[in-house]
Amino acid sequence: AQSVAQPEDQVNVAEGNPLTVKCTYSVSGNPYLFWYVQYPNRGLQFLLKYITGDNLVKGSYGFEAEFNKSQTSFHLKKPSALVSDSALYFCAVGPWAGNMLTFGGGTRLMVKP
Amino acid sequence: SQTIHQWPATLVQPVGSPLSLECTVEGTSNPNLYWYRQAAGRGLQLLFYSVGIGQISSEVPQNLSASRPQDRQFILSSKKLLLSDSGFYLCAWSPGGGRLVLREQYFGPGTRLTVT
Repeated sequence: AQSVAQPEDQVNVAEGNPLTVKCTYSVSGNPYLFWYVQYPNRGLQFLLKYITGDNLVKGSYGFEAEFNKSQTSFHLKKPSALVSDSALYFCAVGPWAGNMLTFGGGTRLMVKP
Repeated sequence: SQTIHQWPATLVQPVGSPLSLECTVEGTSNPNLYWYRQAAGRGLQLLFYSVGIGQISSEVPQNLSASRPQDRQFILSSKKLLLSDSGFYLCAWSPGGGRLVLREQYFGPGTRLTVT
């Protein structure tokens, strides 16, 4: 069975500082990894995905994520946080050979001015 | 470009009343469609998915049902709502072509359901 862990319920950072939102996964075979963002009372927005290739994936709004196979991690990063980045972030995983995404429990990011 | 619509945006219904939530997708054909429920602003629970008209798979036993009467229309229903049915319901689509393949999913704006 596949699973995703987002170990932090909430991450607090100051505006202008770098941010990291952590995600670890478990899946049979090669992983297909995603990050989504959700603003209050909105649907999820796709940020980025990793299928294969470079371990550093760049996505929307200046976000990037680093795939680490040995640590089974896919942490979301941004060099300089904005107050407008404050939202709920979800990591998701699926296997190449499968057909279902499994979502993590979400991490709330709070960026303070 | 593709867009996904959900309505209503919010709904307050008494216990025991019926439910019908609608989701439609524009700008694509043969999408895979999904219904999720999000409780307490956190994790997503997959309720149903569909790879084509009339083809519905359920992930969890529950008080809800789903139907896909047209290629780009997905409906979530209940005959009698329970208090526990309250939550934020999200519809999503992904490229499918008639089979369930792993792709990124694109979500609608959601429906906030409160059962009183």
